[in-house]
Amino acid sequence: QLQLQESGPGLVKPSETLSLTCTVSGGSISSSSYYWGWIRQPPGKGLEWIGSIYYSGSTYYNPSLKSRVTISVDTSKNQFSLKLSSVTAADTAVYYCARHVSDTAMVIHWFDPWGQGTLVTVSS
Amino acid sequence: SYVLTQPPSVSVAPGKTARITCGGNNIGSKSVHWYQQKPGQAPVLVIYYDSDRPSGIPERFSGSNSGNTATLTISRVEAGDEADYYCQVWDSSSDPYVVFGGGTKLTVL
Repeated sequence: QLQLQESGPGLVKPSETLSLTCTVSGGSISSSSYYWGWIRQPPGKGLEWIGSIYYSGSTYYNPSLKSRVTISVDTSKNQFSLKLSSVTAADTAVYYCARHVSDTAMVIHWFDPWGQGTLVTVSS
Repeated sequence: SYVLTQPPSVSVAPGKTARITCGGNNIGSKSVHWYQQKPGQAPVLVIYYDSDRPSGIPERFSGSNSGNTATLTISRVEAGDEADYYCQVWDSSSDPYVVFGGGTKLTVL
């Protein structure tokens, strides 16, 4: 059974870089069928996709966050990571990692399963 | 950018049918997916490809998509179905990206 687990600091100072890692277990991150994604949810609000990565390193980013986001993959550790730079209080959220499933034509995409999420607070 | 519109809340009595809508411009031409999120938990996929159910999701959950509206239908609603529900599509524009609806709080009366 595939499982994903987020890890990283729960508190980040304004203007600094948020860094999180997602460890995948029960399956290989190098599977040709899947991307791997990050989604966040500010307290009491809805879901926002941040970006996704293929094991080869190919990425998709949310256009609204693209200038601040870097997603990378480490196949040797079965992990992928998120870096979000120049954070503000608006970046305070629960951050989820998830397997990003797509069809062969790459026009249909969904997320399953999700990690349990980790709360990151931006505050001095 | 593509926008998905959901009603903030839907209420239904136990045993009745709940319908949660997701509106978007010509959404019928896209594939819609639905997630259930209970308080303090991660979202769970309940419908993909408009109307397919992942294994383990009860048959009471169904989906449809046509025109400008996609609908998640929950039949014979149970207290345990009380949750937030989100629709999601992929916008294949020049800068493709994932779009989520704002979410609907389902209250079981």
